[in-house]
Amino acid sequence: GAGVSQSPSNKVTEKGKDVELRCDPISGHTALYWYRQSLGQGLEFLIYFQGNSAPDKSGLPSDRFSAERTGGSVSTLTIQRTQQEDSAVYLCASSSKQGGQPQHFGDGTRLSIL
Amino acid sequence: GNSVTQMEGPVTLSEEAFLTINCTYTATGYPSLFWYVQYPGEGLQLLLKATKADDKGSNKGFEATYRKETTSFHLEKGSVQVSDSAVYFCALSKLIFGTGTRLQVFP
Repeated sequence: GAGVSQSPSNKVTEKGKDVELRCDPISGHTALYWYRQSLGQGLEFLIYFQGNSAPDKSGLPSDRFSAERTGGSVSTLTIQRTQQEDSAVYLCASSSKQGGQPQHFGDGTRLSIL
Repeated sequence: GNSVTQMEGPVTLSEEAFLTINCTYTATGYPSLFWYVQYPGEGLQLLLKATKADDKGSNKGFEATYRKETTSFHLEKGSVQVSDSAVYFCALSKLIFGTGTRLQVFP
């Protein structure tokens, strides 16, 4: 597609369940980023992929969070045993430049934990 | 630690007015600075950047100058249009983003 695509756009789930969020970057973009945005907060960096490798996992808030990327394209962010504080908008971005700044963001997945 | 602070919105202007959205930063070293824009119904996109002190980033009539002495990177535009209505985010590297400032321009 023309832009970064994320799915689902909205996800409501019960506390303790696992969720999987998907990101499809712009075709040919080698760098992929995950952020989350809580109400009234700035974007919080989670993880960055260059190709299929994640040189920077420093932002993952806990070991309940994991991410993978296969084929240098689609990425999934998995949150296990969700907690209410995980409620946020999860944003994915991609870039054609190695090690650089994200260029284009998706519309995000709004995650609500009941 | 590193951080950015940007002015709270919304900023409401009439068309052709001058725009300033303030952004200040705290950082060790000399990071690159960025402005992103999110138009209604769209994802954030990179608007402009500056990689060292006194650099001026510009795009679509917007400008921002990297000022080390005041640790600022204010976004400016001489004459705004209704189509500039959006949320603007200041960022310090890929790790640190501001909370965003909503700009509303009325005809």
